Amino acid sequence: NAGVTQTPKFQVLKTGQSMTLQCAQDMNHEYMSWYRQDPGMGLRLIHYSVGAGITDQGEVPNGYNVSRSTTEDFPLRLLSAAPSQTSVYFCASRGVSGDEQYFGPGTRLTVT
Amino acid sequence: AQSVTQLGSHVSVSEGALVLLRCNYSSSVPPYLFWYVQYPNQGLQLLLKYTSAATLVKGINGFEAEFKKSETSFHLTKPSAHMSDAAEYFCAVSDRNFGNEKLTFGTGTRLTIIP
Repeated sequence: NAGVTQTPKFQVLKTGQSMTLQCAQDMNHEYMSWYRQDPGMGLRLIHYSVGAGITDQGEVPNGYNVSRSTTEDFPLRLLSAAPSQTSVYFCASRGVSGDEQYFGPGTRLTVT
Repeated sequence: AQSVTQLGSHVSVSEGALVLLRCNYSSSVPPYLFWYVQYPNQGLQLLLKYTSAATLVKGINGFEAEFKKSETSFHLTKPSAHMSDAAEYFCAVSDRNFGNEKLTFGTGTRLTIIP
């Protein structure tokens, strides 16, 4: 199993550009989540999904969209990038019978 | 609402000394508690978890943590620090209500090991 994979690893955007961060898992996990990590703030939940077709907002959802058309994939869309979205983004997944979340390696995003 | 407080954003210990990283939580229901470790430029790896079974939880790499309900604490310890323990450590809480997938993290503690 590859576990949780994220692409790209690094990305630089200009203000106003849009892009999609990709996340995929091959563990048949129902639950998937997106977090952002900023210095001194830990990880904050952006959006999460409890299954295909079901998504909900986390703590900091503004400026981000998600959809979950398959169990495996959970892309995160930045609609109009802003410098405040410069961060490291982590995707995570968990099985319905499991306790822990498995994290991907992260995407480091810089918005200039 | 659930929350986590990690006391000390930076902790330094000598190699071979006791490691103690503090975590206090707030939750309206019995919580699930986790410690994750993050090595530089990597994702998060689970060290250990408390899910309402034994209050003393043993994890990987010689770490353990004790759930103390009366103190609302879940401090992480290791008897003897190793150079490879240098990393950032995050405590997290989940109330795991039905359909609630929200995992709330503390702000992290960076552990430095002094040779």
